Amino acid sequence: SQQGEEDPQALSIQEGENATMNCSYKTSINNLQWYRQNSGRGLVHLILIRSNEREKHSGRLRVTLDTSKKSSSLLITASRAADTASYFCATDRIQGAQKLVFGQGTRLTINP
Amino acid sequence: DSGVTQTPKHLITATGQRVTLRCSPRSGDLSVYWYQQSLDQGLQFLIQYYNGEERAKGNILERFSAQQFPDLHSELNLSSLELGDSALYFCASSPTTGLYTGELFFGEGSRLTVL
Repeated sequence: SQQGEEDPQALSIQEGENATMNCSYKTSINNLQWYRQNSGRGLVHLILIRSNEREKHSGRLRVTLDTSKKSSSLLITASRAADTASYFCATDRIQGAQKLVFGQGTRLTINP
Repeated sequence: DSGVTQTPKHLITATGQRVTLRCSPRSGDLSVYWYQQSLDQGLQFLIQYYNGEERAKGNILERFSAQQFPDLHSELNLSSLELGDSALYFCASSPTTGLYTGELFFGEGSRLTVL
């Protein structure tokens, strides 16, 4: 079963615009992570935010976490064509086995 | 390059057959995870090993099995293959040893096609 659900499932924007993707989850977590996947390739870790953190930045990425709403958002600013990929949130749940549970992902397309 | 190596990259086989997928984790990482990615099911957690011992189990079919060897490489065995087993199989490794799961480093995957 999926823990996280990304929204939207697909997003298409123009180069230079900002892209926002959302993730909702169901159970209490230790941390939430965002990954990127280029078509048919392995996933690449982008950022990890702990349950006691509310916001985190890494370059053009900004992640927020609202544990009361069990939701997170990933903002990519000043998008580039190379940002075209699928983005997944993954949660490390407090209860249950030690593993990451991934959402279904958001397919982001940046149009030049 | 994540440092995680998976072989083979591509595999085509017939229903009923058995295949073995191999994973070498990053140097020093004791944890190995296996995930299955298909179009309809998304990225599904299969199993995790830590220093040779099974640590967590997900939706892994009884036809599938895995192990982690003393040199820390891992193998995922898929038997009695069905058409629905066609998917990308990812291995990931992590240095995390504590109570939480940190960053995972993914290999490029093994694409299995069952005909």
